[in-house]
Amino acid sequence: EDQVTQSPEALRLQEGESSSLNCSYTVSGLRGLFWYRQDPGKGPEFLFTLYSAGEEKEKERLKATLTKKESFLHITAPKPEDSATYLCAVQAGGTSYGKLTFGQGTILTVHP
Amino acid sequence: DTAVSQTPKYLVTQMGNDKSIKCEQNLGHDTMYWYKQDSKKFLKIMFSYNNKELIINETVPNRFSPKSPDKAHLNLHINSLELGDSAVYFCASSQDRAYTGELFFGEGSRLTVL
Repeated sequence: EDQVTQSPEALRLQEGESSSLNCSYTVSGLRGLFWYRQDPGKGPEFLFTLYSAGEEKEKERLKATLTKKESFLHITAPKPEDSATYLCAVQAGGTSYGKLTFGQGTILTVHP
Repeated sequence: DTAVSQTPKYLVTQMGNDKSIKCEQNLGHDTMYWYKQDSKKFLKIMFSYNNKELIINETVPNRFSPKSPDKAHLNLHINSLELGDSAVYFCASSQDRAYTGELFFGEGSRLTVL
């Protein structure tokens, strides 16, 4: 069974303090790994797709990387508006597109 | 202009009742989904429709029945509600069956069963 585990469960940072979130996964034939951001009371918002080990994607202060067993979401010089829950998801080969297996998320709080 | 809209945002009801959640998307997408987020925050897929055709039907009790009258709408009807059905239900849509994994989610409908 496909599984996604994110760590830490919660992370508190000071504004400007860079850090990384981890997403470990087991999946039969990775088709893609995805990062989403979820604000309280809102639906998840798509950030990145990574398809193969070694791939990297960047967006503003966020950078996602992928290895064969895990993905990291690096946050450089975070700001309070980066506070949210970050969700990692995978899609297995041979499954219907759109069937994503999500982790439980990392709650990020950035203090000014 | 909301891309994926769900109604109602909150439902509070008694065990045994029947309830429906409606979803509409104005993005022109041809695939829509229902995901359930439980108390531990895990999002799990329930159903998916592509151009009104059911393409994903996970192991969900028969009390849950999705209906897609057209590709812009996907509704979820739940019969004989149970305490364990309490959760946040998210509707989502994608273009071309989400080859890129990019789903557009609504804001969720929080169901509380008493």
